[in-house]
Amino acid sequence: QVQLVESGGGVVQPGRSLRLSCAASGFSFSNHGMHWVRQAPGKGLEWVAVISYDGSTKYYADSVKGRFTVSRDSSKNTLHLQMNSLRVEDTAVYYCAKGEDTGIVGASFDYWGQGTLVTVSA
Amino acid sequence: DIQMTQSPSSLSASVGDRVTITCRASQSISRYLNWYQQKPGKAPKFLINVASALQSGVPSRFSGSGSGTNFTFIISSLQPEDFATYYCQQSYSTPLTFGGGTKVEIK
Repeated sequence: QVQLVESGGGVVQPGRSLRLSCAASGFSFSNHGMHWVRQAPGKGLEWVAVISYDGSTKYYADSVKGRFTVSRDSSKNTLHLQMNSLRVEDTAVYYCAKGEDTGIVGASFDYWGQGTLVTVSA
Repeated sequence: DIQMTQSPSSLSASVGDRVTITCRASQSISRYLNWYQQKPGKAPKFLINVASALQSGVPSRFSGSGSGTNFTFIISSLQPEDFATYYCQQSYSTPLTFGGGTKVEIK
């Protein structure tokens, strides 16, 4: 069965960096776009970034563009999110989500990880 | 960016009630509209894609409809396990965007 397991969350000071990982199993990782979605405490869902099935195309939300970088290692079935210049408003649970197919647009998030909490605080 | 507006933001209902949630896009998104259910402390669960396609294992009391800018999500007979927050999401173009959510509470 499909499993997505995030790791790397924690408490970090504003301006510092953090790298999240998402270990994927139970499906052909290299055939699916992969996404990061976050949820601030008590708030709704916010899409953060997507990487295409082959890693050639990436898109970001304006709120993280230039600070966050999504990448994937298909040899290890792992998705990453490098978060630099973190801000208090980046505090959230970060979920990795599997795209329904190879596409970036048109595909829904059919499986989600359990999430990892990132807290940005002085 | 495409804005997704969900209404209501919350509602109270009883077991057995019919529940309707609407989602409006700021521009046409064809049928690229998905619905998710989220329970407290849990990851969202994928329910419906392309506006009306129920995912495998999702009970038939859930349904979706619409196209263009106006979409509807219906729970035909609310069950105790359906009390949760529901989100619509457009997959027509990046940035992918979610509605603000509808919290379905017990009356």
